Amino acid sequence: DAGVIQSPRHEVTEMGQEVTLRCKPISGHNSLFWYRQTMMRGLELLIYFNNNVPIDDSGMPEDRFSAKMPNASFSTLKIQPSEPRDSAVYFCASRETDATNEKLFFGSGTQLSVL
Amino acid sequence: KQEVTQIPAALSVPEGENLVLNCSFTDSAIYNLQWFRQDPGKGLTSLLLIQSSQREQTSGRLNASLDKSSGRSTLYIAASQPGDSATYLCAPLGSSNYKLTFGKGTLLTVNP
Repeated sequence: DAGVIQSPRHEVTEMGQEVTLRCKPISGHNSLFWYRQTMMRGLELLIYFNNNVPIDDSGMPEDRFSAKMPNASFSTLKIQPSEPRDSAVYFCASRETDATNEKLFFGSGTQLSVL
Repeated sequence: KQEVTQIPAALSVPEGENLVLNCSFTDSAIYNLQWFRQDPGKGLTSLLLIQSSQREQTSGRLNASLDKSSGRSTLYIAASQPGDSATYLCAPLGSSNYKLTFGKGTLLTVNP
């Protein structure tokens, strides 16, 4: 398997623009996570999907952030409008089931810079 | 709210040394604890997962221990190599069964 695939790898945009990050989880995995990593705050969970249904979006910082999972093989994280403080690395991760003994597999991340 | 602390924040050692990375967490009600490795510009790779009922897990030169009652875990790396240079993060899985709380990590540099 190719692992968790994220696109784009890098995104540079101007404040106020819409940004869409994409993720393809590992085939057969039914749990998907979006994380954000910054130097100041480390890794933070933004949203968790199980079987394509959002279970916990309490980590989404503001209404400017939204996430969808229309099917088991694709998810998006959208920021509209983007702000400089959204600059971070955004990771998607997946897990085969919601069992507690399952390891988490991360994508390579999207480095977002909002100017 | 779970808080995770990793000490030291950075560590530099010569090749061949054995070393220990430390992780402490405030809420002992956890399902398991994972240790991850992160290379610059890359995602995280899960190294070891210790269930709450276990005391330790081993994979090659890596050994992770867990003392849930005291809120501590250690990652032992034997005979370190330059290729071990990376940031190591620990993450306990809380009672929600999906929410990992990550430490800030330990940046390890192994010098040839």
